[in-house]
Amino acid sequence: EIVLTQSPGTLSLSPGERATLSCRASQSVSSTYLAWYQQKPGQAPRLLIYGASSRATGIPDKFSGSGSGTDFTLTISRLEPEDFAVYYCQQYGSPPYTFGQGTKLEIK
Amino acid sequence: EVQLLESGGGLGQPGGSLRLSCEASGFTFSNYAMNWVRQAPGKGLEWVSAVSGSGGSTYYADSVKGRFTISRDNARNTLYLQMNSLRAEDTAVYYCARSTGYSSSWYIGHWFDPWGQGTLVTVSS
Repeated sequence: EIVLTQSPGTLSLSPGERATLSCRASQSVSSTYLAWYQQKPGQAPRLLIYGASSRATGIPDKFSGSGSGTDFTLTISRLEPEDFAVYYCQQYGSPPYTFGQGTKLEIK
Repeated sequence: EVQLLESGGGLGQPGGSLRLSCEASGFTFSNYAMNWVRQAPGKGLEWVSAVSGSGGSTYYADSVKGRFTISRDNARNTLYLQMNSLRAEDTAVYYCARSTGYSSSWYIGHWFDPWGQGTLVTVSS
């Protein structure tokens, strides 16, 4: 099983700033089968990024993903109030599919 | 519009059973593998189970293997999760999610999109 570790656990930033979220895998993730999801309180997760760097339909270009192997990053430029949420990475190479524990992005 | 709508959650007794349903619309249901993902109160996401488009192949997380059964009725565009031998640690919001991607293998390389709104299962006496 691939264990995903996200850091930091909580990130406190102000609107307009840039956020950098990290996801590290315990072993190499095949063919960049790495996704990022955003979850707001009381809502289902929403796909942001798949294939480590491809934005999902309707996701603005302020969200960008990068990385390969065991180290992946989600970057959110120019934070807006609606971006403050919990973000999860997920590997979907093969079952069991696993998620990171999440990074909470909060308003400073 | 692609939509997934879960139902069937509620209060279950330890050792008891519940069956969750997820009704799909807006896409050709039988063409897609489907998943169940759960989230315990205040916790992160945990993948539970996956089923192929035909329903003939399945995968389970170790935490539910032998207790939960995933299935689907493609004629009714509905995904199911039969939950037996319930435990307190099964308490969670259960989401269904569609596997989406380009891989020729149904269980490799498919991200989850979209997700349903979730249904809450509480296991308590």
